[in-house]
Amino acid sequence: NAGVTQTPKFQVLKTGQSMTLQCAQDMNHNSMYWYRQDPGMGLRLIYYSASEGTTDKGEVPNGYNVSRLNKREFSLRLESAAPSQTSVYFCASRDRYNEQFFGPGTRLTVL
Amino acid sequence: AQSVTQLGSHVSVSEGALVLLRCNYSSSVPPYLFWYVQYPNQGLQLLLKYTSAATLVKGINGFEAEFKKSETSFHLTKPSAHMSDAAEYFCAVSDRNRDDKIIFGKGTRLHILP
Repeated sequence: NAGVTQTPKFQVLKTGQSMTLQCAQDMNHNSMYWYRQDPGMGLRLIYYSASEGTTDKGEVPNGYNVSRLNKREFSLRLESAAPSQTSVYFCASRDRYNEQFFGPGTRLTVL
Repeated sequence: AQSVTQLGSHVSVSEGALVLLRCNYSSSVPPYLFWYVQYPNQGLQLLLKYTSAATLVKGINGFEAEFKKSETSFHLTKPSAHMSDAAEYFCAVSDRNRDDKIIFGKGTRLHILP
């Protein structure tokens, strides 16, 4: 039981490049989330998916797209990376008792 | 819209002293409330949660929090700080009627002085 896994752990991009952050959970949870964490800003919700086949915008969705590929996987895509997207990205899933389980994070730097 | 305010981005306490981390929330409906802890270079893990049972909630590692509706607060306490408690702590809120969206506060970094 791996919980929530994220790949890659680290990534450096140039401005304008694209990439996809992968997230998977093996706990059979319906809800999954993508957050970004920046110093002094806490965690800000980018997108979430309440169930397979549905996605909703969070607080800071601009510049991102998501795909809920199946119940296990929820990916985050940056189509044209910008320096303002330099951050640590966390994926999480939520159980039916409202506890969120977080992945280890992806540290992204955009030059 | 829901929101969470954590008072103090940094809090320092001496080892053995009381820990008090403050959280106030805004919600138009009865909320679910959470405290999470983040150790360096790790993801967040749940400390405790309030979902409408007892207003005093006990969590892991000796932490507890009290839901006070009249003060819209959910402060986190621990009677005696330990060096291993040094971490960042996040308060979070979700709407009881739509609990799939969870909003986090900006976090409070707790420093433990020897």
